[in-house]
Amino acid sequence: DAGVTQSPTHLIKTRGQQVTLRCSPKSGHDTVSWYQQALGQGPQFIFQYYEEEERQRGNFPDRFSGHQFPNYSSELNVNALLLGDSALYLCASSQLRDSRFYGYTFGSGTRLTVV
Amino acid sequence: AQRVTQPEKLLSVFKGAPVELKCNYSYSGSPELFWYVQYSRQRLQLLLRHISRESIKGFTADLNKGETSFHLKKPFAQEEDSAMYYCALRGSGNTGKLIFGQGTTLQVKP
Repeated sequence: DAGVTQSPTHLIKTRGQQVTLRCSPKSGHDTVSWYQQALGQGPQFIFQYYEEEERQRGNFPDRFSGHQFPNYSSELNVNALLLGDSALYLCASSQLRDSRFYGYTFGSGTRLTVV
Repeated sequence: AQRVTQPEKLLSVFKGAPVELKCNYSYSGSPELFWYVQYSRQRLQLLLRHISRESIKGFTADLNKGETSFHLKKPFAQEEDSAMYYCALRGSGNTGKLIFGQGTTLQVKP
């Protein structure tokens, strides 16, 4: 089991551009969450997807959007990139069973640099 | 406001010394607390959670609701414990959102 896989591993974009990051959850997991980790900070929750819908959202602007596909994989899209969006973006998958939370498995992340 | 505070950015100890990584939280309900660890060049992974009341790699953590703390302890540090440690909180109810602290780098010197 490869666990959670994210692509690409590194990305450089210019201010104002748009970016799409991808995540495949761990086998058997049906819920995907995205976190932003700025340098020297802990991860910050962006949003969570379950059954192809956004279930919960953190304090991030609408420029950040996502999608979950029927195979549970997910994309994170960021529009109109700002320099401050430079960070490590982490995907975490989990299994929602009987409405209970059983903990996350994290991916290695995508390092986004906005220049 | 929901918040997790890890007051030390860096904790440096010698091998064999006791370790205590501090974590304080702010939450009005009954949170679930976790410790995550990130070893060099590895991904973030769960170390332990308070509801399990288990010891992993010699580490333990007790939830103190009176002091709103969840400090991570190990009686004798090993060099392989050197890593970044994050304390995280999950609120009550059906939520998957974790609130992380800023992290503490543990450096165990030989």
